Amino acid sequence: TAGITQAPTSQILAAGRSMTLRCTQDMRHNAMYWYRQDLGLGLRLIHYSNTAGTTGKGEVPDGYSVSRANTDDFPLTLASAVPSQTSVYFCASSDRGGGAYNEQFFGPGTRLTVL
Amino acid sequence: GQNIDQPTEMTATEGAIVQINCTYQTSGFNGLFWYQQHAGEAPTFLSYNVLDGLEEKGRFSSFLSRSKGYSYLLLKELQMKDSASYLCAVMDSNYQLIWGAGTKLIIKP
Repeated sequence: TAGITQAPTSQILAAGRSMTLRCTQDMRHNAMYWYRQDLGLGLRLIHYSNTAGTTGKGEVPDGYSVSRANTDDFPLTLASAVPSQTSVYFCASSDRGGGAYNEQFFGPGTRLTVL
Repeated sequence: GQNIDQPTEMTATEGAIVQINCTYQTSGFNGLFWYQQHAGEAPTFLSYNVLDGLEEKGRFSSFLSRSKGYSYLLLKELQMKDSASYLCAVMDSNYQLIWGAGTKLIIKP
């Protein structure tokens, strides 16, 4: 079972360019999430989706957009990248039930450098 | 505001026991999670506490006191492979996870 896959693994991007980070899960989880992880900081939620067709803003949504056309895919788009978006990006999913079913499963991450 | 505090780094000896503390202040509480993250890898789930008390899972145990806003992760019989960052996260009233910055655990032979 693949679980969650992310692409690309890493990317160097020129400032001002756009980019889409891809995320696909095969666990039929309802909820999906995008986080960024920066040194010395906890994981910060960018956007989330509780179910296909719906999305919501997290703690740090500015400069990012998402869509959730189906259960499996949750792409993250940077419309015009800036150096402060240099980070490691993790996609995660959960079954969105109660208790331990809220465990989030993480993809392997995308390391993005914006120059 | 919402806040999760845990030590930045800890060092322990192979075979020993280490306790990693986590204190939290959040808008609501729907459980506390501990995750392990090896360098360059994704976080992986270790434990979940929603009621006060100790949850034991092999060499790892997690404790929660909701009244004190406090949890700890206890690792016994430390192995070199336990060298990793340990992330504390609280699920708030909106069922979103609020994450601590993580504790980097260094195991020495």
